[in-house]
Amino acid sequence: QQQVKQSPQSLIVQKGGISIINCAYENTAFDYFPWYQQFPGKGPALLIAIRPDVSEKKEGRFTISFNKSAKQFSLHIMDSQPGDSATYFCAASSGGSNYKLTFGKGTLLTVNP
Amino acid sequence: GAVVSQHPSWVICKSGTSVKIECRSLDFQATTMFWYRQFPKQSLMLMATSNEGSKATYEQGVEKDKFLINHASLTLSTLTVTSAHPEDSSFYICSLTRGADTQYFGPGTRLTVL
Repeated sequence: QQQVKQSPQSLIVQKGGISIINCAYENTAFDYFPWYQQFPGKGPALLIAIRPDVSEKKEGRFTISFNKSAKQFSLHIMDSQPGDSATYFCAASSGGSNYKLTFGKGTLLTVNP
Repeated sequence: GAVVSQHPSWVICKSGTSVKIECRSLDFQATTMFWYRQFPKQSLMLMATSNEGSKATYEQGVEKDKFLINHASLTLSTLTVTSAHPEDSSFYICSLTRGADTQYFGPGTRLTVL
């Protein structure tokens, strides 16, 4: 059972555009929602994370929007750059599960120059 | 953040041999580390949770006798793939927690079994 559903599977955006990746979860016990960026052959890097007590968090060009009632959260990348081309994973965890992360399947983002 | 290193970054071995992968926390003491496996173009799959000074907790379907985990110190966890076979070829990544829920990942180890 996939507990975190991520879409789209791939995304192509023009330089300067907005990239939007969506995730939905089923387990209401989740209380921590990070996004990771992974380049080929590298480990995932923590990009930004949110907890359910806020609806939005912004760090630079990256914003997480969180909708607790809909059990959805999304990543917005403003002014997308070719250097943002990577695979993005959403994830979720809860203290009750020893903070083990449940990952989405990933989104391959390509930003064209 | 946290600085996590893995060694080796890549390894090629013959079928039937064992391979040890090290995961080190370079800037703080980590009581809990996680080991993941990632196949090409797929997501990360949690293999086990490694706790310092105690036995690792393995996820369902992961053979604990094949993937030996040792977390002997607060800065080092090792994963040994025993009697490796071609189907064990994968990208192995460790992570550690800082601040309870925030996980930081290592750079990964590419294992190729011939």
